[in-house]
Amino acid sequence: AQSVTQPDIHITVSEGASLELRCNYSYGATPYLFWYVQSPGQGLQLLLKYFSGDTLVQGIKGFEAEFKRSQSSFNLRKPSVHWSDAAEYFCAVGAIMEYGNKLVFGAGTILRVKS
Amino acid sequence: DAGVTQSPTHLIKTRGQQVTLRCSPKSGHDTVSWYQQALGQGPQFIFQYYEEEERQRGNFPDRFSGHQFPNYSSELNVNALLLGDSALYLCASSSPGLALWDTGELFFGEGSRLTVL
Repeated sequence: AQSVTQPDIHITVSEGASLELRCNYSYGATPYLFWYVQSPGQGLQLLLKYFSGDTLVQGIKGFEAEFKRSQSSFNLRKPSVHWSDAAEYFCAVGAIMEYGNKLVFGAGTILRVKS
Repeated sequence: DAGVTQSPTHLIKTRGQQVTLRCSPKSGHDTVSWYQQALGQGPQFIFQYYEEEERQRGNFPDRFSGHQFPNYSSELNVNALLLGDSALYLCASSSPGLALWDTGELFFGEGSRLTVL
């Protein structure tokens, strides 16, 4: 069965510092991978996605993620964090089912940004 | 262009009651999925509707049911509410296709927060 692990429940970084959020997945086939962000009281917004091809994926708001098949990882990075990046981040793997499809999410990582 | 809209945004129910949550998909989308996000957890897939039929279901009891209307809007119904049903319920819409990621992303609404007392 598909699963996603986000090892860090909370991360605190200083504004302007670099950020890396970890994500490990389990999926039998070629994974479709996503990062979503959720601000308080908001829905989920897609940051970036990996389907195939270049393993370094660029997203919105200056985020990028690198797919490493050998490590079953899809870590999210940003070179310089802004206070507005404080939110909860979810990694997800796409699963194609018999008649449809779904996303399997990790438990999320809460990012706090200190000034 | 309106995105995915959900109603109500917040509601409080007592154990044993029934609740109906509503979702209007993004314009041009005809596939609707529902997810449950309990506090401190990631969203979990409940079911997906396409062409007014439930085409895939996650690991949720039959107390959870849904419907999709000809205009693609959808309802999520939960009967015999339990305390554990307290959660944020998210609706997501997408274009059709067996592999949704081939046709674009999943768009989420802001959710309906259900509290069961």
